[in-house]
Amino acid sequence: TQLLEQSPQFLSIQEGENLTVYCNSSSVFSSLQWYRQEPGEGPVLLVTVVTGGEVKKLKRLTFQFGDARKDSSLHITAAQPGDTGLYLCAAETSGSRLTFGEGTQLTVNP
Amino acid sequence: DARVTQTPRHKVTEMGQEVTMRCQPILGHNTVFWYRQTMMQGLELLAYFRNRAPLDDSGMPKDRFSAEMPDATLATLKIQPSEPRDSAVYFCASGFGKGKSLHFGNGTRLTVT
Repeated sequence: TQLLEQSPQFLSIQEGENLTVYCNSSSVFSSLQWYRQEPGEGPVLLVTVVTGGEVKKLKRLTFQFGDARKDSSLHITAAQPGDTGLYLCAAETSGSRLTFGEGTQLTVNP
Repeated sequence: DARVTQTPRHKVTEMGQEVTMRCQPILGHNTVFWYRQTMMQGLELLAYFRNRAPLDDSGMPKDRFSAEMPDATLATLKIQPSEPRDSAVYFCASGFGKGKSLHFGNGTRLTVT
């Protein structure tokens, strides 16, 4: 069982559509991070959320941390082909280990 | 822009051979992580260091994998002997402080035949 469950695993949409991906856990975290990974590259940090209920916006991306700090969502408005990539959530667990979910592979078609 | 540098980018080797992957963390970062990424398992933590000291290597098969930081500018991950199931992309990442973001290299794609 994964500590961080991401859904959906795969998502293919048309340019201009909105989408939401989720990161869920039964554990409480002090913070949670979202990364995006493109083919042939390492993951790149998008945002860190720290406070329960916190909402952060990065252009067309909106990140929310659940009130209980067990889950998070990423909403993309008017998706563009440049948003295509693997979206990973990650949380710090015991001993400062950063544990990743399996990711959501997003494809935005022109 | 400061970046984490990994070498080689690609490595193809035969089963039983030794493989060494190298990582140059960002100058000033005091934590270094090694991850392995596969389609089936996603990103798995193999080992990590803080101030060059190994803190956790429980994710590594100890009989064949070893990770070291000979100095602050170099981290190595060695597999001896390599096996086909080791085929994956190996990422190094560095950061500073507890709970901070990680900066990843572009990985070493290892294929063991």
